[in-house]
Amino acid sequence: GESVGLHLPTLSVQEGDNSIINCAYSNSASDYFIWYKQESGKGPQFIIDIRSNMDKRQGQRVTVLLNKTVKHLSLQIAATQPGDSAVYFCAENRYGGSQGNLIFGKGTKLSVKP
Amino acid sequence: EAGVVQSPRYKIIEKKQPVAFWCNPISGHNTLYWYLQNLGQGPELLIRYENEEAVDDSQLPKDRFSAERLKGVDSTLKIQPAELGDSAVYLCASSLSQGAGELFFGEGSRLTVL
Repeated sequence: GESVGLHLPTLSVQEGDNSIINCAYSNSASDYFIWYKQESGKGPQFIIDIRSNMDKRQGQRVTVLLNKTVKHLSLQIAATQPGDSAVYFCAENRYGGSQGNLIFGKGTKLSVKP
Repeated sequence: EAGVVQSPRYKIIEKKQPVAFWCNPISGHNTLYWYLQNLGQGPELLIRYENEEAVDDSQLPKDRFSAERLKGVDSTLKIQPAELGDSAVYLCASSLSQGAGELFFGEGSRLTVL
């Protein structure tokens, strides 16, 4: 069925290394994608978004890549820090323009080793 | 500026009892969302409000769940009667308007049904 999913449920990296979190989506009609970070006991926090007319977008230490050909989304975190430890969710908007129809994936837990 | 405020943070009840969650969105945010998050899963939309109007409640189990946003500001989500499977985190989020950018989430209300 249609779903937003993740390749890996957990990811462990060394402090200072770069992290790459992957996400697959199945609906080619999705036109807006968001990455959220969720720390334990807190609500999801917006990290970065990208529209389908782009294939790359950069923020502070984060980059989102979108490959529409293979319906793949990735989040790259440069120089990963202990404070980056959290669960990361990708979300897709399947109906164009309305964030109320965001479909979240199951999440990847990122652990940063000091 | 205050973020999205939810209460209570934690609630433990016995099955068949009623429970209510309250959310105060960010001032000026017209769109309010209630999400359900099961352990290890991404958030799932229950209902979305534009001002006081529920514009998407297709995923709300209406036999036991109800929500209101009478004055278009704060909102209440109610479950009556609660079932064991309702144990989850109930997240409230708000945005300036539909499709206006990122959703801001509250810290959630964790419900445990015994």
